[in-house]
Amino acid sequence: DTGVSQDPRHKITKRGQNVTFRCDPISEHNRLYWYRQTLGQGPEFLTYFQNEAQLEKSRLLSDRFSAERPKGSFSTLEIQRTEQGDSAMYLCASSTRTGGETQYFGPGTRLLVL
Amino acid sequence: LAKTTQPISMDSYEGQEVNITCSHNNIATNDYITWYQQFPSQGPRFIIQGYKTKVTNEVASLFIPADRKSSTLSLPRVSLSDTAVYYCFYTGRRALTFGSGTRLQVQP
Repeated sequence: DTGVSQDPRHKITKRGQNVTFRCDPISEHNRLYWYRQTLGQGPEFLTYFQNEAQLEKSRLLSDRFSAERPKGSFSTLEIQRTEQGDSAMYLCASSTRTGGETQYFGPGTRLLVL
Repeated sequence: LAKTTQPISMDSYEGQEVNITCSHNNIATNDYITWYQQFPSQGPRFIIQGYKTKVTNEVASLFIPADRKSSTLSLPRVSLSDTAVYYCFYTGRRALTFGSGTRLQVQP
């Protein structure tokens, strides 16, 4: 499968713990996006990388959230001191800078903070 | 961030054609219009993308008027497996926030 992959698919944690998610984009895609989706809502943009550079961050991305894409390949999203309000599906997408720049999404990581 | 407006929900029957319209008044000159399908607990799946007039692929058609302030996704002869949430958004240099999408329910 050469699509976008995310790991883990599910994560349950206790409030106050740190969690880290990984995204592996489609290999030739230089752009990578993170979104968060809560029940009944559309995905909300969090941040975006072009190669290893983080070019944009949403105001939703509080200082407890950090994302990296160290060699312009895979990316990690870390949430420190998790809160119950962080419970959501975290989606990763990748694209290449051609034409309409279609974003292809991974299966998501579902986070539950107890 | 840009905003799209779609109907919250639609109902249809198997074999019918379904048209879902989305308004995107703030679309910029270099933005493309993309439609996604999402099933519960899965990531959005690309359906179709266009810039103007009409685009057709093996699963859907996309109609975009000359002013590009709206678009219509057309699903021919829907089946039960087309029951899902459908999102439109427009892409350019920057990622955008999806709207709440249109929940399509297909009945037998």
